[in-house]
Amino acid sequence: QSVLTQPPSASATPGQRVTISCSGSRSDIGSNYVSWYQQVPGTAPKLLIQRNDQRPSGVPDRFSGSKSGTSASLAISGLRSEDEADYYCASWDDNLSAKVFGGGTRLTVL
Amino acid sequence: QVQLQQWGAGTLKTSETLTLICAVYGESFSGYYWTWIRQAPGKGLEWIGEVDDEGTTHYHPSLKSRVIISLDTSRNQFSLKLRSVAAADTAQYYCARRQPNWGAEDLWGQGTLVTVS
Repeated sequence: QSVLTQPPSASATPGQRVTISCSGSRSDIGSNYVSWYQQVPGTAPKLLIQRNDQRPSGVPDRFSGSKSGTSASLAISGLRSEDEADYYCASWDDNLSAKVFGGGTRLTVL
Repeated sequence: QVQLQQWGAGTLKTSETLTLICAVYGESFSGYYWTWIRQAPGKGLEWIGEVDDEGTTHYHPSLKSRVIISLDTSRNQFSLKLRSVAAADTAQYYCARRQPNWGAEDLWGQGTLVTVS
C-alpha cells in the first residue's frame, strides 16, 4: 500500500482537461515538495513537475502542478492521445526519511 | 547530451547479491544526487536510495540493511548492490539523476529487469 494516495484510473476525451489528485499527510506532502512523473508502459518514467509546480525544460505548459496542505494535483489541459500513460506523484516523507510515491493513476484518452 | 546507461545481471538466485552499474555520460557528479528506483512487475515505483556528489547516502528504511549505493568517480559511474535477494526483489531497476535543492529525478536510465528465482 502506497504512502501517497492516487485514484487508480482517470479518463477523458481529446481536448478536455483532466486532473489527477495525490493525497498525503503532514509528514510528506504537508512538509515537502511534490513531483509528478509520466510513464508510458515499457519505458522509464519522465519528470513532468518538480517542486510542486515547476516544469522542467521541454515539458509542455499543458501540464501544471499545484499543492494545498497535504494534497497535490496534476492538471493536463488540451488532452492528446499521447498523454495516455501512468502518472505518479512523489514526495519526501520526514517520518520514513525516504522518498515515497503514489500508487499511480492510469490515464485513458477516450 | 547527458545520458545514463545502466547494466547488470538480469537473473539471480535467492540469497545472491544484485549488482547494477549506471554510467553517466556528458555530466559530472558534481551538484546532483544519484538515485536508484525500482518497479515490481505491474506495480508502482519504489525509491531505493541515493548518493550525493560527496558520497553521502540515504536509503529506504525497509532496504537499508541490505543495500549499498556508491560512486566510482574515476569511471563516472555509480552502483547499486542489494544483498540476499529474494523473489520480492524481482523488478525493473532504474538509475536516475536528481536535481539539487529538493528537486526531482529529471534524467533516467533505460532500466534493467532483474528476476530472482
